[in-house]
Amino acid sequence: SQQGEEDPQALSIQEGENATMNCSYKTSINNLQWYRQNSGRGLVHLILIRSNEREKHSGRLRVTLDTSKKSSSLLITASRAADTASYFCATDGGNKLVFGAGTILRVKS
Amino acid sequence: KAGVTQTPRYLIKTRGQQVTLSCSPISGHRSVSWYQQTPGQGLQFLFEYFSETQRNKGNFPGRFSGRQFSNSRSEMNVSTLELGDSALYLCASSLGTRQETQYFGPGTRLLVL
Repeated sequence: SQQGEEDPQALSIQEGENATMNCSYKTSINNLQWYRQNSGRGLVHLILIRSNEREKHSGRLRVTLDTSKKSSSLLITASRAADTASYFCATDGGNKLVFGAGTILRVKS
Repeated sequence: KAGVTQTPRYLIKTRGQQVTLSCSPISGHRSVSWYQQTPGQGLQFLFEYFSETQRNKGNFPGRFSGRQFSNSRSEMNVSTLELGDSALYLCASSLGTRQETQYFGPGTRLLVL
């Protein structure tokens, strides 16, 4: 079974709004990563947060990690149409990277 | 630096055939991982190679195999293709440690008829 599970499965927002995606996982981790995938293409790494970090920023992205709740969230601020993509969290489960099912984000212009 | 490249980008095969996919990692990266992505199962780990050795393997049948060459390029092979093998096959490279940032190629889309 997958280590990370994203919520919601799909999200549709207007350009300029913020988008928040959540990820829950099952076992202890060393780090958690977020990736983006545009329609049927390869994944692009967005951000990595280590287990001893609580929050991390990269441009319009903000990631939080709560190891006590085994959850993480990805916030995209001031969204753009180009942010339309699938977003995956990935955790280091059992010596390999394990991906969640992903959140499909649609940003309407 | 050039990114991860995968060839071919698209492939159509029939049941029972075999297929070989190729992946060239980013220069200097020694770890190559392969993933299968389908609408039903999502992204699933196939295997990882590091310095020509398989370091980890996912839960796939023995029909799925791979190898890595001394220049870090990697190939994966699927024998006796089944309809369910239709998927996007993604290759990712990283410097060396398992759980660090992975850089993905564009993928090979395989259709089995």
